[in-house]
Amino acid sequence: DTGVSQNPRHKITKRGQNVTFRCDPISEHNRLYWYRQTLGQGPEFLTYFQNEAQLEKSRLLSDRFSAERPKGSFSTLEIQRTEQGDSAMYLCASSLLPRVNGEQFFGPGTRLTVL
Amino acid sequence: AQSVAQPEDQVNVAEGNPLTVKCTYSVSGNPYLFWYVQYPNRGLQFLLKYITGDNLVKGSYGFEAEFNKSQTSFHLKKPSALVSDSALYFCAVRDYSYAGNNRKLIWGLGTSLAVNP
Repeated sequence: DTGVSQNPRHKITKRGQNVTFRCDPISEHNRLYWYRQTLGQGPEFLTYFQNEAQLEKSRLLSDRFSAERPKGSFSTLEIQRTEQGDSAMYLCASSLLPRVNGEQFFGPGTRLTVL
Repeated sequence: AQSVAQPEDQVNVAEGNPLTVKCTYSVSGNPYLFWYVQYPNRGLQFLLKYITGDNLVKGSYGFEAEFNKSQTSFHLKKPSALVSDSALYFCAVRDYSYAGNNRKLIWGLGTSLAVNP
């Protein structure tokens, strides 16, 4: 499968626990995005990377959230001290520069449920 | 402020009939517009985009979209709907609010399309 993959697909955790999600983008894609989507809403931008550099973080991304892309390939999104409000689908997408305004390719998402 | 609006939460059409899913936008520069589809428990899939050129853009699965600059709209259309087209459709526009090469998208809230047999 040459698409974007995300693991795990589902995560159930108790409030206060830490969780980490992984995204593997399409191999030659240099841009990687994280979004959060709640039921009935469009994706909300969280952060993005160009290669290993994190170029922008949304104000939605509190201090409990951190993302890395250490080698410019896969990325991880960690949420510390989870809260019930963190329950959502976390989407990863990748795209290729310098293809101007190329579309983003999305993974299947990780659904987080915080009890 | 830059924004995307999808005025209909849900659209219902009968199989075989034409469908339209509406999208309007507000941007400060040239509009780069996208449509994505999301099937249940699946990731978002790219359908089509408008960057420049012909106002009628053809995309995947028989969908097309018409860019109308005067009405700031980018409605998604299909001449003959299939039951399998039932899904959530999102319109998105490139965010110009930041300088540089930011490719971040601003997303609409989505329109649920139900195609009835």
